[in-house]
Order: sequence, then structure tokens, then C-alpha cells
Amino acid sequence: AQSVTQLDSHVSVSEGTPVLLRCNYSSSYSPSLFWYVQHPNKGLQLLLKYTSAATLVKGINGFEAEFKKSETSFHLTKPSAHMSDAAEYFCVVRIETSYDKVIFGPGTSLSVIP
Amino acid sequence: DSGVTQTPKHLITATGQRVTLRCSPRSGDLSVYWYQQSLDQGLQFLIQYYNGEERAKGNILERFSAQQFPDLHSELNLSSLELGDSALYFCASSPRDLSYEQYFGPGTRLTVT
Repeated sequence: AQSVTQLDSHVSVSEGTPVLLRCNYSSSYSPSLFWYVQHPNKGLQLLLKYTSAATLVKGINGFEAEFKKSETSFHLTKPSAHMSDAAEYFCVVRIETSYDKVIFGPGTSLSVIP
Repeated sequence: DSGVTQTPKHLITATGQRVTLRCSPRSGDLSVYWYQQSLDQGLQFLIQYYNGEERAKGNILERFSAQQFPDLHSELNLSSLELGDSALYFCASSPRDLSYEQYFGPGTRLTVT
């Protein structure tokens, strides 16, 4: 069965320090992987995507993620957190077989302390 | 602003009622996706339409239905509403079928009392 695990429901970092949001997936097929961000009372915004090209993916707002097939991981990182990064982050797996399937992780809430 | 619009922003209704949520995709996008976000279930994919045809189905209840019209806007119909249907309903659009990139609308917050 396919699934997405976000290992931390909540992460708190100080402004200017690195951010690491963890995501692991389980799939028998080669997935496409995404990170979305949701700011309070807003819709979701695509941060970055992996679609079997380069394993290190750069996204918007200084975020990047690395696809590691051996570890079935797609962790999201940013070198230096900004106050505006405080939001909910969702790791998403899309599996295209005979029937397309999209699975959202439970989300990680990121707090940034001034 | 993603270019995807959803109406209404808020909807309050009683159990047993029926409501319709509306979504207008970005200009030129042919695919529309519906999602439900609730505290206990998280974010769940409901259904996708591409150019008027159903293309993928997720965890959509039989009480729910959707359609995409010739002008590409979409409606999600929720009937026999239950308290547990209270959630934020998102619509997303993408240019192509089964696209890797989706652009989300601001959502419709449904409260069932």
C-alpha cells in the first residue's frame, strides 16, 4: 500500500537557523513527489516537485528537497528560516498507475521564533 | 493569487441539507481537482476532471458528486450533509491531464450544524 509519513507534526526553529522537514513515502511504483505550503487561511501553494529528473530539487523561497530512493525520503530543507516561513507543510506523493492516486502526508506545522 | 477562484468562501448549513461548491480554474487549465481538508482526516483528494470527463477518483463519498462544465468550471455537490462533512474544500487546477503541478484556490469553508 502506498503511504506518506511526515515524521514531525510540529517543528520549531529560530529565525536564521536551518529548517528540516522530513518526509518518507512507501510505494511500489516510481512516484512523483511534491511539497506544498499552506499559510493560515490560505490555499495550498506548490513549493517544489520531483518528477524523476534531478534528485536535488530547488523550489521557491529558498527551499529545496532531495529525493533519496534508497531511503524512500524526500526531506525539505532551507538554510535560513524567515518569519514568513511559518506555515503548514505537506509532502505529497502522486502515483500514476492504471488509476491516478494522490496521497497527502498529515502535514508539519513550522513555527519560526524571532 | 493562484488564479483559481472558489465560491462561496464560507458556507453554513444544517445536517441533511445539500450544497454546491463552485470552482473556476486558471485561464487555460483543463484539469480540476477537488480536495477535502479536515482536522481528523487531513487533506484528502476527492476527484479530478479533465476537459469535462472524470479522470481520477479518491476518497469521495457516494453522497458527494462533481462535474465539470463546457466552460471548464466545476461544481462539487454535497448532499445529505452530516456534521463530519464540516471541512475546508479546496479546488485546484492544472493545464494538463494528471499534471504534476496543481494550483490551489483559497478554499470553501463548510460548517454543518
